[in-house]
Amino acid sequence: EAQVTQNPRYLITVTGKKLTVTCSQNMNHEYMSWYRQDPGLGLRQIYYSMNVEVTDKGDVPEGYKVSRKEKRNFPLILESPSPNQTSLYFCASSHESRTSGSSDTQYFGPGTRLTVL
Amino acid sequence: AQSVTQLDSHVSVSEGTPVLLRCNYSSSYSPSLFWYVQHPNKGLQLLLKYTSAATLVKGINGFEAEFKKSETSFHLTKPSAHMSDAAEYFCVVSDPTTNAGKSTFGDGTTLTVKP
Repeated sequence: EAQVTQNPRYLITVTGKKLTVTCSQNMNHEYMSWYRQDPGLGLRQIYYSMNVEVTDKGDVPEGYKVSRKEKRNFPLILESPSPNQTSLYFCASSHESRTSGSSDTQYFGPGTRLTVL
Repeated sequence: AQSVTQLDSHVSVSEGTPVLLRCNYSSSYSPSLFWYVQHPNKGLQLLLKYTSAATLVKGINGFEAEFKKSETSFHLTKPSAHMSDAAEYFCVVSDPTTNAGKSTFGDGTTLTVKP
């Protein structure tokens, strides 16, 4: 089954304790992204990757790191989490659109609800 | 720079009446535009997309949207609302000339369907 998986689904942690949220896709997609969703703000892109070893900042990258060593995996790292990073996080993947050259339909993971105390 | 404005944060309709969710975008070129739906406590699912083909785009569950370049709009419509349409809807723009991997979401429109 084609899917994007994220782990963990729920996480409660304390300020300053490093954590990693994993994301994996089995569709051989070139593009992968991380978003955070906060009430009234929609989804905001944190980081994206257009292929292995190619990553770039989205709209809200402060306090986050990513890496893309393999095509299927795109982990999100919070080296020193703070309470303002409490949010719902989504990973997504997509092919490059053949007609537009930008990201095509995105497939989203189930989300990770993170609470930082 | 690309941006998206969803003009209504909440829309309430009665079952069986038309739905209109409004989206305006800003982009430097001919963008790709998407509508996604998120049902309560669920993930996001594509409703429809525009990628420089036909300007009237049909999606799943009877939804459609029309790309109007002169008005920089991509409004989502459905002729007759069902109770199952109650959800949050997001308009998304992706502009290949700024950066192909960047996607910008609107703030979302919550659709309520009354019986």
